[in-house]
Amino acid sequence: DGGITQSPKYLFRKEGQNVTLSCEQNLNHDAMYWYRQDPGQGLRLIYYSQIVNDFQKGDIAEGYSVSREKKESFPLTVTSAQKNPTAFYLCASSPQGASEQFFGPGTRLTVL
Amino acid sequence: GQSLEQPSEVTAVEGAIVQINCTYQTSGFYGLSWYQQHDGGAPTFLSYNALDGLEETGRFSSFLSRSDSYGYLLLQELQMKDSASYFCAVDSNSGYALNFGKGTSLLVTP
Repeated sequence: DGGITQSPKYLFRKEGQNVTLSCEQNLNHDAMYWYRQDPGQGLRLIYYSQIVNDFQKGDIAEGYSVSREKKESFPLTVTSAQKNPTAFYLCASSPQGASEQFFGPGTRLTVL
Repeated sequence: GQSLEQPSEVTAVEGAIVQINCTYQTSGFYGLSWYQQHDGGAPTFLSYNALDGLEETGRFSSFLSRSDSYGYLLLQELQMKDSASYFCAVDSNSGYALNFGKGTSLLVTP
């Protein structure tokens, strides 16, 4: 089955530690995205990538980093510089120029 | 800046019709999307309007007026499973990054 996977579903980390969230897709989509969702809030864009080896900052990129070495993979690192990292993180992908984005199941990160 | 406004909560009775409005102010505009998200789940795409008018997909319809910077999602024959959050999102960069509203929590009651 084609789709987007994110792992793990729940993640706990101590304050001050970097953590990398996984996002993999086998839909052959060119574009991939990372969003952050806080309780009762919409989705805010962290980073997006339109093509391998290229990515752009979204609205809230500070304290995050990404890489796009393969078309299928777009990992997100939450660094210790991110002041409020506890949130629900959603990865999405879409064909280039398409109006529909396909979302993964999300990773709920809790920093203690 | 860019902003999208939609009601935070709506309650409706099973079998009824409900309309969720969305107004937006963005620097660019290519289209308005709607997504549904159940608690703890992933958002799923419902519809996309690039041109003025009504788009119908089964029980769901979406409307856009570009001149009024306004759109709405219309849900008919409401079912209990329609209880979820609904987000409008503006595509301001030709099919790439979306700007989402804060979402409308829809509660369908018996």
